[in-house]
Amino acid sequence: EVQLVESGGGLVQPGGSLRLSCAASGFTFSSYWMSWVRQAPGKGLEWVANIKQDGSEKYYVDSVKGRFTISRDNAKNSLYLQMNSLRAEDTAVYYCARDVMIVDPEYYFDYWGQGTLVTVSS
Amino acid sequence: NFMLTQPHSVSESPGKTVTISCTRSSGSIASNYVQWYQQRPGSSPTTVIYEDNQRPSGVPDRFSGSIDSSSNSASLTISGLKTEDEADYYCQSYDSSNIWVFGGGTKLTVL
Repeated sequence: EVQLVESGGGLVQPGGSLRLSCAASGFTFSSYWMSWVRQAPGKGLEWVANIKQDGSEKYYVDSVKGRFTISRDNAKNSLYLQMNSLRAEDTAVYYCARDVMIVDPEYYFDYWGQGTLVTVSS
Repeated sequence: NFMLTQPHSVSESPGKTVTISCTRSSGSIASNYVQWYQQRPGSSPTTVIYEDNQRPSGVPDRFSGSIDSSSNSASLTISGLKTEDEADYYCQSYDSSNIWVFGGGTKLTVL
């Protein structure tokens, strides 16, 4: 059974940093692109970033470029999101999701974790 | 970059059929595949349609997807509505600048 379990969320002050983790199990983690998708309270879904199987390619939504870094450790079956210079508008539930290729480079998200809440507030 | 526009909400009665639209702002809707996700209150999203009209295993055939080039939109149709279908539905597609785009979501109420 595919499982994605996020952790690391919490309350942080504007300008602060936080590192999210996603523990994957039930599939060969190193064979899949992985993404972070967020959802602000009462709002819709927003793709944040994704990373190739070997970490050699990474893409980000414009609003987080230069502030967020996605990474992975295939030996630990784990995905990470380092978030720096956090802003109030980064407040959201952050989901880890597995990417499934339709036709390169089109992917969709077939499994999602339960999410971890990040609140940026003073 | 393009945007995907969905109606904010739709409602229909149990047993009826409802269609949710997703209109692409620029570029052809047929250029990239469209997916649909269901998010029930308090839960994570799940895929109900991928590749415009494919259903993952376990998704009932009451759910169907289509695209219409004349209106540059995709549609999710749910027939034989059940109260358990009440949820938020999001369309999603790929932008060629390595961006994965979601629609704003549609709240489906099954009265």
